[in-house]
Amino acid sequence: DAGVIQSPRHEVTEMGQEVTLRCKPISGHNSLFWYRQTMMRGLELLIYFNNNVPIDDSGMPEDRFSAKMPNASFSTLKIQPSEPRDSAVYFCASSRGTSGGITYEQYFGPGTRLTVT
Amino acid sequence: SQKIEQNSEALNIQEGKTATLTCNYTNYSPAYLQWYRQDPGRGPVFLLLIRENEKEKRKERLKVTFDTTLKQSLFHITASQPADSATYLCAPGEYGQNFVFGPGTRLSVLP
Repeated sequence: DAGVIQSPRHEVTEMGQEVTLRCKPISGHNSLFWYRQTMMRGLELLIYFNNNVPIDDSGMPEDRFSAKMPNASFSTLKIQPSEPRDSAVYFCASSRGTSGGITYEQYFGPGTRLTVT
Repeated sequence: SQKIEQNSEALNIQEGKTATLTCNYTNYSPAYLQWYRQDPGRGPVFLLLIRENEKEKRKERLKVTFDTTLKQSLFHITASQPADSATYLCAPGEYGQNFVFGPGTRLSVLP
């Protein structure tokens, strides 16, 4: 398996522009997670999906952020309009879900390094 | 509020020694805890999972303990090697809930 695939790997954009990050989870995984990582705040969960349905989006910073999962093999995270404080590494991860109340391990993609100037 | 702490931001040890990393949590009752490794420029990679009814888990040179009374997990790397240098993240999870990542400890194994 190719693992979790993210694109683009790097994105540089100007403040106010729309940014779309893409993720292809591992085939057969039914949970998908979007994280943001910065030096100051560490690894933060933004949103996660179970069977393509958003379960918890309490980590989404504000209305400028939105995420979709139209099918089991694709998800997007969109920022509109982008701001300099959105600069971070964004990770997508997938897992097999849960069993007996325990969340299975997550497999992370390589991340997208976003710079907003 | 829930809080996860990992012993220090950075830990330096000599090659061949045992590295011990600490994960403490407060206002939290995790049913399980996972440990991940993250190398610079890459996503975290899963290492081990330990459940609340397990005191200890081992995998090759890695050992994890979980003490629900002390609200602490210890992560040990025996016979450490420079290739073990990375950031290690603990991630406790409550029953039926997704887990939350701690801030991480950056380990440097010096040759």
